[in-house]
Amino acid sequence: GENVEQHPSTLSVQEGDSAVIKCTYSDSASNYFPWYKQELGKGPQLIIDIRSNVGEKKDQRIAVTLNKTAKHFSLHITETQPEDSAVYFCAANTYGQNFVFGPGTRLSVLP
Amino acid sequence: GAVVSQHPSRVICKSGTSVKIECRSLDFQATTMFWYRQFPKQSLMLMATSNEGSKATYEQGVEKDKFLINHASLTLSTLTVTSAHPEDSSFYICSARDPFGGVNEKLFFGSGTQLSVL
Repeated sequence: GENVEQHPSTLSVQEGDSAVIKCTYSDSASNYFPWYKQELGKGPQLIIDIRSNVGEKKDQRIAVTLNKTAKHFSLHITETQPEDSAVYFCAANTYGQNFVFGPGTRLSVLP
Repeated sequence: GAVVSQHPSRVICKSGTSVKIECRSLDFQATTMFWYRQFPKQSLMLMATSNEGSKATYEQGVEKDKFLINHASLTLSTLTVTSAHPEDSSFYICSARDPFGGVNEKLFFGSGTQLSVL
C-alpha cells in the first residue's frame, strides 16, 4: 500500500522568510496530492492541492511542486507570517482509495 | 470549498457513559464519510469509513462495538463512543469527499471533537 513520508517534523523560520516542507510517496499510482493546515484544536483545512498531470501550482503565497519521477512533492510558503504557524499535513491519493497522510510538520513562524 | 460541520467541539463525560458525535455535510451530499482519531502531536489515524445506507467499514484494530457508526442520510454520519473510558480520550475528526471535486474527490474535514473521559 501507499506510504507517505514528510520532512522536516518541525520547522522554525523568521517572519518574512520562506518555508519548504517535502513529502515522498511510494505508490506510483497515486495521482492527487493535497496539503492541509491544522491549527491547534481544529480540523485540518485544505490549503492547496495538485494532480499528477501538473508539475506546479501556486495560490498567492503558497505553492506546491510535484516530481512524479522521484515521487515527491513539496509545499512552499513565501513571506511567512505568524498566522502561518500550524501543523501541515501532506497526503497522497488514488481515485477510489483512502487518503494516506504524512506524519505532519509543525511550522513555527517567529516574529 | 465544501463545508463539513461537526458537533460537539468538546465533550467531557464520566467513564462508562456513551457519547455521540455528529458530522454533517452542509452544502453537498456525501455517500461516504470518514472518521479519524488523532492523538496529541500525531497524524490522522483512519478509524472507519461510513457508507450511507450500509454498514461502516472499520480499520484493523478498531473495535466496531466500541465505536458505533451510523450514516442514515446523505448529509449525516454519527460516531457513538460506547461505554467510554479514559483511554478513549482523544481528538476525533470526521471528513467527507466532495463529489463534485472532479477526477479526484477532494476531502474536507470537520472541526473536530475533543473527547475527555474522566
